[in-house]
Amino acid sequence: SQTIHQWPATLVQPVGSPLSLECTVEGTSNPNLYWYRQAAGRGLQLLFYSVGIGQISSEVPQNLSASRPQDRQFILSSKKLLLSDSGFYLCAWSTLDRVETQYFGPGTRLLVL
Amino acid sequence: KNQVEQSPQSLIILEGKNCTLQCNYTVSPFSNLRWYKQDTGRGPVSLTIMTFSENTKSNGRYTATLDADTKQSSLHITASQLSDSASYICVVSDRGSTLGRLYFGRGTQLTVWP
Repeated sequence: SQTIHQWPATLVQPVGSPLSLECTVEGTSNPNLYWYRQAAGRGLQLLFYSVGIGQISSEVPQNLSASRPQDRQFILSSKKLLLSDSGFYLCAWSTLDRVETQYFGPGTRLLVL
Repeated sequence: KNQVEQSPQSLIILEGKNCTLQCNYTVSPFSNLRWYKQDTGRGPVSLTIMTFSENTKSNGRYTATLDADTKQSSLHITASQLSDSASYICVVSDRGSTLGRLYFGRGTQLTVWP
């Protein structure tokens, strides 16, 4: 069966510090990978998606970047965090042919102070 | 503009009672509608998924309905339990792009009291 992991689970970082959140998927090959942000009281916002190694598409202009160094690894990064980067970050995966069916990871709660 | 609106924003019910959550959408072209349950601090977990031709879908005590003509869906929870306390998110998928974009509602926060 497929599983998706995210870490860390919780992170508190000062403004201006760098960020690296990691997501890995097991039990599947060539998945589509997604990064979402969920701000308090808001719906999920798609940040990045990837259809393959090194292929990253950005949905909204922002302070964040994403990379996919391996087939089942997706990393969300920032060089300098802003207060507005605080939120709940969710990684998700789908198969290439069933993009409407996405499976979510446990999430990382980020608080920028 | 493709949107998904959910109501109510929050709901408190007593254990054992039934409740119904609403979802209205304007997403076009419509592909499917999914209800997710998201426990606090966790990732969303799918409850039901319905395509254009399906009117109702059940998953245990959860029953979802879909009216594709009026673009409305509801999630009915029967005999609520304390573990039903969570955010319930309505997600609509289109087929207007190769990605099959998902549109998320803001969710209904359900609290079940003993």
